[in-house]
Amino acid sequence: DIQMTQSPSSLSASVGDRVTITCQASQDITNYVNWYQRKPGKAPKLLIYDASNLETGVPSRFSGSGSGTDFTFTINSLQSEDIATYYCQQYDNLPGTFGQGTKVEIK
Amino acid sequence: QVQLVQSGSELKKPGASVKVSCKASGYTFISYAMNWVRQAPGQGLEWMGWINTNNGNPTYAQGFTGRFVFSLDTSVSTAYLQINSLKAEDTAVYYCARESGRGVVTAINYWGQGTLVTVSS
Repeated sequence: DIQMTQSPSSLSASVGDRVTITCQASQDITNYVNWYQRKPGKAPKLLIYDASNLETGVPSRFSGSGSGTDFTFTINSLQSEDIATYYCQQYDNLPGTFGQGTKVEIK
Repeated sequence: QVQLVQSGSELKKPGASVKVSCKASGYTFISYAMNWVRQAPGQGLEWMGWINTNNGNPTYAQGFTGRFVFSLDTSVSTAYLQINSLKAEDTAVYYCARESGRGVVTAINYWGQGTLVTVSS
């Protein structure tokens, strides 16, 4: 199985800060990476697909980049409503493995 | 709009069975595969497998064969996850998650809200 190593596991930042989360795959997965946001008690929400494409309706402060084994997710100008846990997921190979998640909090 | 609405929390005793439902709306149910994903307490998200909603054929990930059963009722656009012979370690939140239609079943774009299954004597 492909391992997705996500970091950090948690972070605290101020409103307006730029936040960066990384995911490293254990092998080349081209650009087959999704990024999800999960708020407590709610369904996870797709933010980024194919590593860098913004899902329809998602604010442009969210972005993704990378290819091969190294991927980055960025929130430009963190907002209070962005408090959530974020996950990367690869879908290059079955099983579709996930990163361990990054819990984002407001400082 | 696409919605996946799952059944409510369940409390079961070890050895019992549970059936979680996932009712889909807002799209043609049989056109998109359905995945199932588990999150145990303190653990990450774990892909359990998927079911072909066109022909009902399930595929189970390693570790989810035998006691786990995916099924459908296409007449009501609903997918089901049944877990038999429940164990304490099955305690988790279970999610249904629809594939995006981009040709890879695990490229998920919609999720249910999750169903907490607690197994305790």
